[in-house]
Amino acid sequence: AQTVTQSQPEMSVQEAETVTLSCTYDTSESDYYLFWYKQPPSRQMILVIRQEAYKQQNATENRFSVNFQKAAKSFSLKISDSQLGDAAMYFCAYRRGGSQGNLIFGKGTKLSVKP
Amino acid sequence: EAGVTQFPSHSVIEKGQTVTLRCDPISGHDNLYWYRRVMGKEIKFLLHFVKESKQDESGMPNNRFLAERTGGTYSTLKVQPAELEDSGVYFCASSQVTPRPQETQYFGPGTRLLVL
Repeated sequence: AQTVTQSQPEMSVQEAETVTLSCTYDTSESDYYLFWYKQPPSRQMILVIRQEAYKQQNATENRFSVNFQKAAKSFSLKISDSQLGDAAMYFCAYRRGGSQGNLIFGKGTKLSVKP
Repeated sequence: EAGVTQFPSHSVIEKGQTVTLRCDPISGHDNLYWYRRVMGKEIKFLLHFVKESKQDESGMPNNRFLAERTGGTYSTLKVQPAELEDSGVYFCASSQVTPRPQETQYFGPGTRLLVL
């Protein structure tokens, strides 16, 4: 069975600085997708970034980028120029290949941003 | 465009009672997922509807949980009778059925269930 591990329950970053959230996963499949979701306090979870396993190039979305190490089964999220609005729970998630299907989540990392 | 909505936002019930949670997906989204997060643990998949059909219900914990999606629009998740370990946040997510592997699941705000 696939598993997703986030080893950092909480992280803190100074405003304007850079922070990296860790995620590792375990799977025997070759076709899959990885996601980072963000859940701000009392708000809905939203997709931050997505990575297709067959793509070697790391995904980027503005200030958010990932470091995808397929052999190591690692998928970290880097947030550059952190803003107060980045404070949230961040969930790493895995989905097996195919056009759709359920997500497998890690326990989440609570990110605090200090002004 | 309205997002995924869930009702109620909070529910406090006693052990043995029945609770029904409702999810309204984004209009036009045929995929509907239910997930649950128990305190301090991972968000766990419960089941997946495609329109009104159950595509995958492998995550349903036991037969006290019943999910329906009559007409392929909104979905309900009933817990009967509720037990203490059912407490948690129940999330609903919806997405479009697409042949391309670009599915994005849009999540609702969740229903916080507390069983006393």
